[in-house]
Amino acid sequence: ETGVTQTPRHLVMGMTNKKSLKCEQHLGHNAMYWYKQSAKKPLELMFVYNFKEQTENNSVPSRFSPECPNSSHLFLHLHTLQPEDSALYLCASSHPGNGGEGQFFGPGTRLTVL
Amino acid sequence: TQLLEQSPQFLSIQEGENLTVYCNSSSVFSSLQWYRQEPGEGPVLLVTVVTGGEVKKLKRLTFQFGDARKDSSLHITAAQPGDTGLYLCAGPFQGAAGNKLTFGGGTRVLVKP
Repeated sequence: ETGVTQTPRHLVMGMTNKKSLKCEQHLGHNAMYWYKQSAKKPLELMFVYNFKEQTENNSVPSRFSPECPNSSHLFLHLHTLQPEDSALYLCASSHPGNGGEGQFFGPGTRLTVL
Repeated sequence: TQLLEQSPQFLSIQEGENLTVYCNSSSVFSSLQWYRQEPGEGPVLLVTVVTGGEVKKLKRLTFQFGDARKDSSLHITAAQPGDTGLYLCAGPFQGAAGNKLTFGGGTRVLVKP
């Protein structure tokens, strides 16, 4: 498989559930990102990992917990979410400097919190 | 207030018509990128502009970066239904690391056959 893949594509969870989103990239990149895309706001950067180290946490609530075990895999662990956390969660990867090649995005996980 | 303002928010045109979408900021960006996002997919990079006044062409798409590097535009000539999608501009804000992108709110383009 090539590019950036995300699983699951759709997720419905209750506020007391614990779930995880998975992202995998096969592009040889060393930077990975989580973004949140909701209907009424611009695409929001949540976390940045460079060479498996978290370099950016954009004031994200602690109910979102990222994990980057290696440069190819990125997880977002979810617990006690709120209905307003319902959104499309996008994973992306790039070379660390981003440069002219831009970021490569996965198809996203559509999350609904009941 | 968004750091990158895109206009219009929505544009519906007939196949064959031309369109222009804009990306504006009060701040200087070292570079700007344009992405297109189709339903059910993540954004895909179209172009990166770096130099003030730069013009880049990608088939029927023409991208321009303002001289002061605070604004950019995307012009599509003879639009086709395949150009339908959400167009997003993005850049590193105020000296942020090159891979920490701020996105505009997007322009949703619908090209009707």
